[in-house]
Amino acid sequence: EVQLVESGGGLVQPGRSLRLSCAASGFTFDDHAMHWVRQAPGKGLEWVSGINWNGGTIGYADSVKGRFTISRDNAKNSLYLQMSSLRPEDTALYYCVKDRQGPGGDFWDWGKGTTVTVSS
Amino acid sequence: EIVLTQSPATLSLSPGDTATLSCRASQSVSTYLAWYQQKPGQAPRLLIYDASNRATDFPARFSGSGSGTDFTLTISSLEPEDSAVYYCQQRAYWPPEISFGGGTKVEIK
Repeated sequence: EVQLVESGGGLVQPGRSLRLSCAASGFTFDDHAMHWVRQAPGKGLEWVSGINWNGGTIGYADSVKGRFTISRDNAKNSLYLQMSSLRPEDTALYYCVKDRQGPGGDFWDWGKGTTVTVSS
Repeated sequence: EIVLTQSPATLSLSPGDTATLSCRASQSVSTYLAWYQQKPGQAPRLLIYDASNRATDFPARFSGSGSGTDFTLTISSLEPEDSAVYYCQQRAYWPPEISFGGGTKVEIK
């Protein structure tokens, strides 16, 4: 069974940093691209960032480009999101998401999410 | 940037009805389109991939169609548990770009 467990969320002041982690199990981690998708309270889904199986291809939404950095450690079956210069509009539930096998770009398994609140 | 526009924003129907949800892309995404179902308090679930392939967890009442810029999710014989928000998502330009539509809320009266 695929399991994706996010951690690292919390309350942070604007301008500060936070690092999210996702522990993956139940599948061959380095066979899949991985993504972060967020959902602000009462709003829709927003793709944040994605990374291919070996970290050689990475993408970011324009809203986070230059502030967030995605990475992965295949030896640890883990995905990360380093968030810097946080803004109130980054407040959201952040989901760790597993892509399909292959070229990818869609979201086959989701974690339960970790909540990030940016507020003074 | 590919913009996905979903309509209507809300659909209120009765059990047994058929729901027709639309997703329009600002430029062609071929069939690189997925649909997700999200119920309150839950993570989204993949429902349809590559425009018309149904995920294994979902019954045949759910079907997807379309290509290029116009896509449809059809839910036939609506049941109360189909109440949810449905999102479309394109992957045609991944990497590096992925985008979601704004969602359609389906209410079963």
